[in-house]
Amino acid sequence: QKEVEQNSGPLSVPEGAIASLNCTYSDRGSQSFFWYRQYSGKSPELIMFIYSNGDKEDGRFTAQLNKASQYVSLLIRDSQPSDSATYLCAVGGAPGGGNKLTFGTGTQLKVEL
Amino acid sequence: DVKVTQSSRYLVKRTGEKVFLECVQDMDHENMFWYRQDPGLGLRLIYFSYDVKMKEKGDIPEGYSVSREKKERFSLILESASTNQTSMYLCASSYHRGPNVMPYFGPGTRLTVT
Repeated sequence: QKEVEQNSGPLSVPEGAIASLNCTYSDRGSQSFFWYRQYSGKSPELIMFIYSNGDKEDGRFTAQLNKASQYVSLLIRDSQPSDSATYLCAVGGAPGGGNKLTFGTGTQLKVEL
Repeated sequence: DVKVTQSSRYLVKRTGEKVFLECVQDMDHENMFWYRQDPGLGLRLIYFSYDVKMKEKGDIPEGYSVSREKKERFSLILESASTNQTSMYLCASSYHRGPNVMPYFGPGTRLTVT
């Protein structure tokens, strides 16, 4: 059974701080990693994807991947109240096949004024 | 922009009814997926399809069936709705190959079975 684990939170950070969201996965064959943001009552929205070890930056977001440790994280710099949402980590196989993702249950982030 | 649409945002059905949930995507994606999302359980894959008339069971296919007669449309069918199928249903689509294989989600259908 492939598993993706996230701390459910809530993770509370003050406005302007760095929010750090973590995810571990069990399948060593996983090769594609995604972060989705989900506002209450809405559907998940893709915000980052990463395929290679290391860091990938996009604006205020940085995804970090460590395949040896089976660990992927999302950093949100200069956190804003609008970042308050649930963040879902999703893990899949090789980018070329299937694309079935296994989702974690999500971490709720609260950015406080 | 990718657009995935679902036929209803909210749906209320009675136990035993046959329920159809429709999903349409406009990106010529090969893959289409049906998930359900429940508090504490996260997103669980019901069925997916990687081509017209092709389907594969996901993690929780019991009580559901699917149909994909056209590339852009993927339907989820609840043959005889039960109260434990009350949930948020999310459709998604993606390319099958290449760097941009991430699924894009529709707005969801919140189904209540009474």
